[in-house]
Amino acid sequence: GAGVSQSPSNKVTEKGKDVELRCDPISGHTALYWYRQSLGQGLEFLIYFQGNSAPDKSGLPSDRFSAERTGGSVSTLTIQRTQQEDSAVYLCASSLELGQRGNQPQHFGDGTRLSIL
Amino acid sequence: RKEVEQDPGPFNVPEGATVAFNCTYSNSASQSFFWYRQDCRKEPKLLMSVYSSGNEDGRFTAQLNRASQYISLLIRDSKLSDSATYLCVVNIREAAGNKLTFGGGTRVLVKP
Repeated sequence: GAGVSQSPSNKVTEKGKDVELRCDPISGHTALYWYRQSLGQGLEFLIYFQGNSAPDKSGLPSDRFSAERTGGSVSTLTIQRTQQEDSAVYLCASSLELGQRGNQPQHFGDGTRLSIL
Repeated sequence: RKEVEQDPGPFNVPEGATVAFNCTYSNSASQSFFWYRQDCRKEPKLLMSVYSSGNEDGRFTAQLNRASQYISLLIRDSKLSDSATYLCVVNIREAAGNKLTFGGGTRVLVKP
């Protein structure tokens, strides 16, 4: 079946430009996460959407970063006025919410490799 | 203190040997636990869930110690292909839903 889809797979842009990254989660998954991973580093949590609840934005590194999730499905992560330190792989994951048990792992997309020149 | 902590390693393991490492978590309300594997420049992939009674999947054994708030992963008869970063993931039930938190990963290098 279709997994989590992210686009573009690679993005090279000049410093100062805005970029939009897209994530299409697995159909029916109510939870959606954005992470980023710099070369050789661990996963850095950015933002978490769960159903119709207000998103958990506690991981967003600055106000240049924002994300939205329209209709509880596709999500877009926007980075304004990009800086070189924004270069990283941006990973999206989704999971199925099943009541109280919560024993639902995340399924990851292939990521968007962002390079800021 | 980080919510989920792991020894970053690397753990250098001779091929065929056994290696084990832990992951500690700070929130006692944590409900479910997973191990993910991440290969270099790839996305994380689910390796196994961790059940309260401990569980095995082939050469991999996962354990949960709620009293001490850690989970462990043991790899027996290590293969060269086991070289990867192993990520510990903890699920916490929040008002808005479940939230999964990743550790920083433990790097394992299996050498001939």
